[in-house]
Amino acid sequence: DGGITQSPKYLFRKEGQNVTLSCEQNLNHDAMYWYRQDPGQGLRLIYYSQIVNDFQKGDIAEGYSVSREKKESFPLTVTSAQKNPTAFYLCASSSYGPGGDTQYFGPGTRLTVL
Amino acid sequence: GESVGLHLPTLSVQEGDNSIINCAYSNSASDYFIWYKQESGKGPQFIIDIRSNMDKRQGQRVTVLLNKTVKHLSLQIAATQPGDSAVYFCAENSRAGNMLTFGGGTRLMVKP
Repeated sequence: DGGITQSPKYLFRKEGQNVTLSCEQNLNHDAMYWYRQDPGQGLRLIYYSQIVNDFQKGDIAEGYSVSREKKESFPLTVTSAQKNPTAFYLCASSSYGPGGDTQYFGPGTRLTVL
Repeated sequence: GESVGLHLPTLSVQEGDNSIINCAYSNSASDYFIWYKQESGKGPQFIIDIRSNMDKRQGQRVTVLLNKTVKHLSLQIAATQPGDSAVYFCAENSRAGNMLTFGGGTRLMVKP
């Protein structure tokens, strides 16, 4: 069963804690992305990676960190520096090529700060 | 779960009617466009895409129209069903490096 998986589905964080969201894909896609979604807003890009061992900041990278040690995996860490982390987090992947390619999304992780 | 897009524009249609969802895109250089459907609490799901060398593309019950002159994209859903109720996003590859820019979304509500 191919696709993108995210875990956990729900995550609760205490103030001052770092938490890591998992994203795995078995689509053999080169590029992976992390988005944040808040009510009333569209998707905002946090980080993206076009190839293993390389990643770039998106529009709202402050307070987040990522790694890309394997092609299949792109975990996102929400650090204590992120002051308003409660949101729905979406991971996506795509083949990398000129002219644009479809991004396919995982089911999301809802993070709540207690 | 928490609703996505509490303040999104909403289109309300009767079951069986056709729906038209519109999107104005930002970059005249964009050459690839996608429509996504997002149900509450789930990730966006690919519906249909179109490249700028086309002005119309049809799928199963869905049609995307592209008007490059006025930078306008629309999604038409034929014989709308309750299962079509969701938030619909358009996206364009307006950035360098194969990146997508997403629109704010429209909520479609289907009345039985």
